[in-house]
Amino acid sequence: DIQMTQSPASLSASVGDRVTITCQASQDISNYLNWYQQKPGKAPKVLIYDAANLETGVPSRFSGSGSGTDFSFTISSLQPEDIATYYCQQYDNLPLTFGGGTKVEIK
Amino acid sequence: QVQLVQSGAEVKKPGASVMLSCKASGYTFTSHAITWVRQAPGQGLEWMGWISGYNENTLYALKFQVRVTMTIDTSTSTAYMELTSLRSDDTAVYYCARSTIRHPYGIDVWGQGTTVTVSS
Repeated sequence: DIQMTQSPASLSASVGDRVTITCQASQDISNYLNWYQQKPGKAPKVLIYDAANLETGVPSRFSGSGSGTDFSFTISSLQPEDIATYYCQQYDNLPLTFGGGTKVEIK
Repeated sequence: QVQLVQSGAEVKKPGASVMLSCKASGYTFTSHAITWVRQAPGQGLEWMGWISGYNENTLYALKFQVRVTMTIDTSTSTAYMELTSLRSDDTAVYYCARSTIRHPYGIDVWGQGTTVTVSS
């Protein structure tokens, strides 16, 4: 199975701050990576697909980059509505595997 | 718009079985696979398996292989997931999700989730 190591597990930042989350795959997954946002009691929502493509309707302050084994996800200017847990997920091969999640809070 | 609507919450006793449904709308059901993922309380996301909407081929996570069955009904655009021999650690929110056209294992749309509680 491909292991996805996501960091940090949590972070606290101020409104307007730039926030970056990283995700490392245990083997090359090309660019087959999703980034999700999950708010309490809600289903995950795809923000970024194919590592760097913004899903339709997602604000442009969200972005993703990387390929191979190393990936990053950035919120360029943190907003109060961005409080959530974020997950990376590889779909290069089955079983699909997810990072452990990053809980983002406002300082 | 594309929607996956899941069945309502379930409460089951240990050893029982549960069957969950996931009704799709807004797209051609047979053009996409359905993936099932679960999330235990306060925990991360765990892939359970995948079923093709085209030919009903299934791929299950090793952990669930003997206890899970995924099926589809193309006449009603509905996917089903049955989990047997329930244990307390099967208590979780179960999600169905649509696979993308561009990659068979990619995911783009999720259902709202079904809470399954296993308790004596």
